[in-house]
Amino acid sequence: QKEVEQNSGPLSVPEGAIASLNCTYSDRGSQSFFWYRQYSGKSPELIMFIYSNGDKEDGRFTAQLNKASQYVSLLIRDSQPSDSATYLCAVRKYNQGGKLIFGQGTELSVKP
Amino acid sequence: GAVVSQHPSWVICKSGTSVKIECRSLDFQATTMFWYRQFPKQSLMLMATSNEGSKATYEQGVEKDKFLINHASLTLSTLTVTSAHPEDSSFYICSARETSGGVVEQFFGPGTRLTVL
Repeated sequence: QKEVEQNSGPLSVPEGAIASLNCTYSDRGSQSFFWYRQYSGKSPELIMFIYSNGDKEDGRFTAQLNKASQYVSLLIRDSQPSDSATYLCAVRKYNQGGKLIFGQGTELSVKP
Repeated sequence: GAVVSQHPSWVICKSGTSVKIECRSLDFQATTMFWYRQFPKQSLMLMATSNEGSKATYEQGVEKDKFLINHASLTLSTLTVTSAHPEDSSFYICSARETSGGVVEQFFGPGTRLTVL
């Protein structure tokens, strides 16, 4: 079992819709979770991080964390074609020097 | 956010040669830097964790004698791919960790595209 799992997609949504990206993790002791966006040929850029159960909102983005279910998601409201990218979920391993473990990423395509 | 630079942004080399990639944190001090490798359509795979002034910690399966990492200062880490072969062709990305005000954030460099002929 991979430590961090995501559906590779592609996930296709129409412009203006809500895109929902999901991620599960295997280490129940994980405490910090991150969502990165990566455009083709570029390095990842941080969108949001979340530490506590529940929702965290930042503009059009909402991260949701459910530690009991070991599940973290990212919602993108009013999706735009410029949101088309690969979204990477990452978990920080504090007991291993704080390194980030990435999922395989979900490719999102927002159609005009 | 903080800025991390990498140099070069791309490099093409012949098989058997060595290539050095630099990673710099421009506006903060990074006691810890990470080196990742990413093959097409795949996720980032951590190669090693680099701590300033000490030896790097390599992930399982990463050859430390082939991928030499030096973290000589709080703003500079280098990755040298020795005796490069075509299978080493990949996108190499460094990341620097900043700790300020109790918040830990990790910032990525723009990456270096290595092509070994």
